[in-house]
Amino acid sequence: KQEVTQIPAALSVPEGENLVLNCSFTDSAIYNLQWFRQDPGKGLTSLLLIQSSQREQTSGRLNASLDKSSGRSTLYIAASQPGDSATYLCATLMDSNYQLIWGAGTKLIIKP
Amino acid sequence: DAGITQSPRYKITETGRQVTLMCHQTWSHSYMFWYRQDLGHGLRLIYYSAAADITDKGEVPDGYVVSRSKTENFPLTLESATRSQTSVYFCASSGDGMNTEAFFGQGTRLTVV
Repeated sequence: KQEVTQIPAALSVPEGENLVLNCSFTDSAIYNLQWFRQDPGKGLTSLLLIQSSQREQTSGRLNASLDKSSGRSTLYIAASQPGDSATYLCATLMDSNYQLIWGAGTKLIIKP
Repeated sequence: DAGITQSPRYKITETGRQVTLMCHQTWSHSYMFWYRQDLGHGLRLIYYSAAADITDKGEVPDGYVVSRSKTENFPLTLESATRSQTSVYFCASSGDGMNTEAFFGQGTRLTVV
């Protein structure tokens, strides 16, 4: 059974810093890995989707990488801003069925 | 308005009552999903649907019923609400193909007292 882990559960950094959020998974038979953002009291917004055959995806200041062999993905945020404060979740889409398996998220606080 | 909308946003109900949470999407996406989000458990899939009249169980389906008579609507019914079903419920949709992103509604915060 797939398990997705995000460490740390919370992270606080000063504005302007570059940072990395981590996501690890136990079963490498994934179809893709997705990163989402969740703001308090709101739904989830898709940030990046990395197909299993890809190594990374970029969108603006965000870069996500995928290493299936080691069961890891990272989300790199460059030049962080207070508006980046949110909870970031990763999820894997399994080959075996159309189900996203979710990590518990990392709550990110960017201090002005 | 384009997008995916859930109603109600907040609901308080009593144990044993039937409750229906509504989900409507305007993109004609094939796939629709219901998740619940709880502290300590993250997001868990309750039910999903690949098309109208096609539904399947997710990780935690017990106590819930879904239907999908129209592509755009995917209601979730709690047949007899229990306190353990107090949670935030999210509906999501995505297009055909495994590598399409999912779009989420704003969520429904349900409290069962």
